[in-house]
Order: sequence, then C-alpha cells, then structure tokens
Amino acid sequence: DAGVTQSPTHLIKTRGQQVTLRCSPKSGHDTVSWYQQALGQGPQFIFQYYEEEERQRGNFPDRFSGHQFPNYSSELNVNALLLGDSALYLCASSHDNLYGYTFGSGTRLTVV
Amino acid sequence: AQKITQTQPGMFVQEKEAVTLDCTYDTSDPSYGLFWYKQPSSGEMIFLIYQGSYDQQNATEGRYSLNFQKARKSANLVISASQLGDSAMYFCAMRDVKWGDDKIIFGKGTRLHILP
Repeated sequence: DAGVTQSPTHLIKTRGQQVTLRCSPKSGHDTVSWYQQALGQGPQFIFQYYEEEERQRGNFPDRFSGHQFPNYSSELNVNALLLGDSALYLCASSHDNLYGYTFGSGTRLTVV
Repeated sequence: AQKITQTQPGMFVQEKEAVTLDCTYDTSDPSYGLFWYKQPSSGEMIFLIYQGSYDQQNATEGRYSLNFQKARKSANLVISASQLGDSAMYFCAMRDVKWGDDKIIFGKGTRLHILP
C-alpha cells in the first residue's frame, strides 16, 4: 500500500518563474494538505483540499494556488517565485477523522 | 488562536538514556488531537504517537510515550532507552477538528542528538 507520493524530489528554479509540485495521497485518503517548511523551522500550513475545493488556507499570498483532481491527487502552483520561496514543500493526506496526516517525503525547491 | 510551543531548540543525550522533549499548546476548543512527528534528514515526517484530548490515559507506542497534562496544556514526548537512530528533528503538533477548520499546526521543533 503506497503512502503519499510527491514529485519531483528536488527542483531548482529562477526568480520570477512558476513551479508546479505534485502529490498523490495515500490510498483511501480524500483530503490533501500542503505545507512549506523553511530550513530549521516547523512546517507552515499553506492550504487544504477536499472534494476538489480549497477548504481552508493559511497565511500565504495568492501566488500560491492549488488544485485537487477527481482521483484526490493534488498540485501546488507557485507563481512569480521569490528567493524566500526556497523550502521543503510537504504534502500530507488524511481521511476525515481525528488522527494525524500521512506525509510524503517532500519536494525541495531552491529558487536562485 | 491555536499555538504549539517547543522551547528546546536542541538537545544532546547519551545513548541508552531516556529523553523528554517539551511541548505546550494553546487552544480554546475542547476536542483536539496532539501528535509527535520525527523528521530525519531525508525530510519525511514520521508519525510517532497520538493523544486525543478526551483520552484518560497517556498514549504509548513502543519506546515512545506522551506525558499528557491537560490542565497545564502540556504534551511532552518521552523516549526511553534512546538509540543513535533517534537523532532527528522532533515536532509537536496539534489538530483541532471542527467543520471548516481541520488542519495540523506544528511547533518549531527540537533537534535531538544522541551521543554514542
């Protein structure tokens, strides 16, 4: 039973470019959450998708957008990249209960 | 507002000793869950242990136990008989579950170094 799969694992982009990160949730999970983790910090909540809609959002600018597909997979898009967007981006999936998320291994984005 | 506080940026512990990682939380909701995750250098967040706000007993999972003191809003992680492989970042996290707000928030983490 595959867990959460994220692609790519590493990515280098130039300032001003756009990037798309992908996530396939764990089998049986219908909710996908995205987190940004800067070096040495805890993960910060970006947004959460459920039933193909953004259900809630953290304190991130509109440059960060996402999408969820009918098969529950999800994409995170970041436009007009800034140096400060360099971070590990974690995807987590869950089903509607009180227990924790299952995380992927993340995509490490470097903006130069 | 929900908040998780981890006051220990880093800890050094001798192998085979027990270690306690501190965590305090703040929420006004009666129903919540508390978690500890381990993050090795590979980046993946590994779930360790869970405690529900209504659970009467402290959670245990193998060498991990969660010292839950609800009145003090404290959820410390205890690792017994530490091993070299326990060296990693550890995050305390909380999840409030109510309609329209179902996210996990994390503390800043504690970097644990196990010394041989």
